[in-house]
Amino acid sequence: EIVLTQSPGTLALSPGERATLSCRASRRVISSYLAWYQQRPGQAPRLVMYGASSRATGIPDRFSGSGSGTDFSLTISRLEPEDFAVYYCQQYGELPQTFGQGTKVEIK
Amino acid sequence: QITLKESGPTLVKPTQTLTLTCSFSGFSLTTNGVGVGWIRQPPGKALEWLALIYWDGATRYSPSLKTRVTITEDTSKNQVILTMTNMDPVDTATYYCAHGLSWYFDVWGRGTLVTVSS
Repeated sequence: EIVLTQSPGTLALSPGERATLSCRASRRVISSYLAWYQQRPGQAPRLVMYGASSRATGIPDRFSGSGSGTDFSLTISRLEPEDFAVYYCQQYGELPQTFGQGTKVEIK
Repeated sequence: QITLKESGPTLVKPTQTLTLTCSFSGFSLTTNGVGVGWIRQPPGKALEWLALIYWDGATRYSPSLKTRVTITEDTSKNQVILTMTNMDPVDTATYYCAHGLSWYFDVWGRGTLVTVSS
């Protein structure tokens, strides 16, 4: 199975700052079938990005995704208070689907 | 509007079988390209994909749980059922069902916490 490694584990930033999250796959992700999810405390995950760079419905344009092959990233250009959460990447191009271990974006 | 809701026991004993129901609305599981998946999350840990059922009835399972998990559908009731046998305390987790579209999950249920303890 494809192992996804996210870095850093925790990102401490202030509102208004830029956040860059990384997701590295153990082998090539087919057709850039990579998604990102946001999970706030006590809530279900919420789709943020799919196909590596397509924003999900209702996601503001301060979120952007990029990458292909084995290296992907999620960027939040200017952090808003509601963006502080845990973010997971997921590859869905190959079964079994797999998730990364998550990156926590916390307030500095 | 697509919604999903998980239901089932909150506490099961070791070795028992867990049965969870995902009741959904706003879509049909017979629509080409649609699926419903189950994902779980142990307390404080990452997400783990368990199983997926497709619009054509095909099913896929996590290799590590394949011998213990079954996913079925009742299209007349708009429900998907997850069965997991031989439950163990390490299976304690929040179990989510989600609407699958090519096969990321665009809408999730709120999840249900299942604790395995004697």
